[in-house]
Amino acid sequence: EAGVAQSPRYKIIEKRQSVAFWCNPISGHATLYWYQQILGQGPKLLIQFQNNGVVDDSQLPKDRFSAERLKGVDSTLKIQPAKLEDSAVYLCASSLVAGAFWEQFFGPGTRLTVL
Amino acid sequence: AQSVAQPEDQVNVAEGNPLTVKCTYSVSGNPYLFWYVQYPNRGLQFLLKYITGDNLVKGSYGFEAEFNKSQTSFHLKKPSALVSDSALYFCAVRGNNNDMRFGAGTRLTVKP
Repeated sequence: EAGVAQSPRYKIIEKRQSVAFWCNPISGHATLYWYQQILGQGPKLLIQFQNNGVVDDSQLPKDRFSAERLKGVDSTLKIQPAKLEDSAVYLCASSLVAGAFWEQFFGPGTRLTVL
Repeated sequence: AQSVAQPEDQVNVAEGNPLTVKCTYSVSGNPYLFWYVQYPNRGLQFLLKYITGDNLVKGSYGFEAEFNKSQTSFHLKKPSALVSDSALYFCAVRGNNNDMRFGAGTRLTVKP
């Protein structure tokens, strides 16, 4: 079974530039999550999709972050414009369904450095 | 709100010795608890979970965790540590929207 795929793996940009990350979840997984992991901290949920609908985006900084999951499969997360404090690893995860009985599977992450 | 705390930033053990990585939780309702491990430049990997049932949960790579309701703890354990166990370990609890609420992580170093 193929895992969660993410690209790019690394990205370096200057502040005020834009950046986009891509995630392909495990086939058949209805729920997709984007997490932000700042160095020295645990991952923090940014947004959760159930199929192509948003379940929770309460911690997404909507003035600069946006995400979509067209057709309920792949997802993109965009930052526009980026700030220095956005430097982090962005993790995508998926689960078969949303629920405590189904663990989340994580991709390798995209390490973003904002200069 | 659901949350977990990992009181130790760093745990050092010698190879072959038992290891414990601590986690305490704060939840309303029944706790659904998880342990994940993160190796350098890799995503988080699921180790084990507690949903209900036996307080001792067995997981991947010889790890186990003990759920203790009275102490609100869910410590990760392994009887005999390996150098290859060196990694970052995260405790997590299910949030209200079935997301994961992670602790800050504990870096485990196993020395030969």
